[in-house]
Amino acid sequence: QKEVEQDPGPLSVPEGAIVSLNCTYSNSAFQYFMWYRQYSRKGPELLMYTYSSGNKEDGRFTAQVDKSSKYISLFIRDSQPSDSATYLCAGGWNFNKFYFGSGTKLNVKP
Amino acid sequence: DSGVTQTPKHLITATGQRVTLRCSPRSGDLSVYWYQQSLDQGLQFLIQYYNGEERAKGNILERFSAQQFPDLHSELNLSSLELGDSALYFCASSHTEDRASGANVLTFGAGSRLTVL
Repeated sequence: QKEVEQDPGPLSVPEGAIVSLNCTYSNSAFQYFMWYRQYSRKGPELLMYTYSSGNKEDGRFTAQVDKSSKYISLFIRDSQPSDSATYLCAGGWNFNKFYFGSGTKLNVKP
Repeated sequence: DSGVTQTPKHLITATGQRVTLRCSPRSGDLSVYWYQQSLDQGLQFLIQYYNGEERAKGNILERFSAQQFPDLHSELNLSSLELGDSALYFCASSHTEDRASGANVLTFGAGSRLTVL
C-alpha cells in the first residue's frame, strides 16, 4: 500500500467551475501536508501547506485536512485555464521526508 | 525560476553506462533532496542531505549514490543504468516556511530528464 494515494484523473472541467482534488494517506503519524502544482515539463511548485488538521485558504485555493479519515483535499474556486496542470499532494511526519501522491491531471476548458 | 538549478536538462545514454546529475540549491538553503519521477511510480523520494551530511534515505537503489559538497551543491550518480531508470530526476532544497511548526517546504528545480536506451 502506498503511503499517499491519489486518483490520477484526468479531471476535465469548464472554466469557472469549482474543482475538488483529493488524496488519502495511510500513516496516522503524518502531521505535515502539502499541495504542489506541476506544469508539463516543469518542476513541482508549492501551492499550499498545512500542519495537522483543519483548513487553510489562499486566494482561490483552499486546502483541507481531515486526520480522522486520513483525507487531504484541495479546492479551487473559479477555475481558470491557467490552472490546468498536475496537482500533487504530499504528507509526512517530519520535515525530512515527505511522501507524494502520483498526481491528478487537471484540464480546465475555456 | 525557482532558484534551484539542475543540470543537464536532458540526457540520453545507453544501458550499463554511468551518469552524474548536478544540483545547486536556492541561496541559503542547506538541505538538498533528490526525487525520481516516472509515469507509473509518481514522485519517489531518493535521498536527502543537510549541510554535507546524509539525513534521510528513501527508495534509492544501491547503483545510485549522492553527495553534497562544501559549497552545498549536490550530485546524484547513477551507474549500471537500466531501461527502467529512465525518468525525470528532481532536486529540491528546503527552508523553514513556518517556524512555529518547523515544517520545511521544498522548492524544486526543473528536473533532469534521463533516457536510457
